[in-house]
Amino acid sequence: EIVLTQSPGTLSLSPGERATLSCRASQSVSSSYLAWYQQKPGQAPRLLIYGASSRATGIPDRFSGSGSGTDFSLAISRLEPEDFAVYYCQQSGSSPYTFGQGTKLQIK
Amino acid sequence: QVQLQESGPGLVKPSQTLSLTCTVSGGSINTVGYYWNWIRQHPGKGLEWIGYIYYSGRTYYNPSLKSRVTISEDTSKNQFSLKLTSVTAADTALYYCAREEAGATPRLDYWGQGILVTVSS
Repeated sequence: EIVLTQSPGTLSLSPGERATLSCRASQSVSSSYLAWYQQKPGQAPRLLIYGASSRATGIPDRFSGSGSGTDFSLAISRLEPEDFAVYYCQQSGSSPYTFGQGTKLQIK
Repeated sequence: QVQLQESGPGLVKPSQTLSLTCTVSGGSINTVGYYWNWIRQHPGKGLEWIGYIYYSGRTYYNPSLKSRVTISEDTSKNQFSLKLTSVTAADTALYYCAREEAGATPRLDYWGQGILVTVSS
């Protein structure tokens, strides 16, 4: 099973700042099979990024994904109030699908 | 617009079977190229993939749950279902159904709102 480790666990930033979230895999993951999701309290996860770097429909261009192999990242260029949430990476290249434990992005 | 909606009992007794249904609207579960997933989230925790069903009823399960899980479909109702046997308190979680667009860059693009299932006597 591929373990995805996200860091930091919690990130405290102010609106307007840039956020960088990390996702490290225990073994290599094809970038085609790496996705990022955003989850707000009381809501289901929402797809942000798939194929490591492709934005899902309707996702603002301040969100960007990058990486390959075992190291992936999600960047949010200028934080808006609605961006404060929990973010998960997920791999579907190897069974079972696995998710990272999440990074909580909170307002500083 | 595809929508998914989970339904089923919110309370299940230990050792019994958890049964949930996901009703899909705005798209057919028979469409080639989509997998229909179940995912759960323990209270205050991360996400755990349970398994999926796809084309002609083929299934794939998380090995950690495989001995207790069955995912099935009812194409006439455009629904797919989850059965989890011999539940314990560790199965208390928020259960989501989600559509996966398969192919070169798979992604879970539509999710239900989730249903909380508590295992307790």
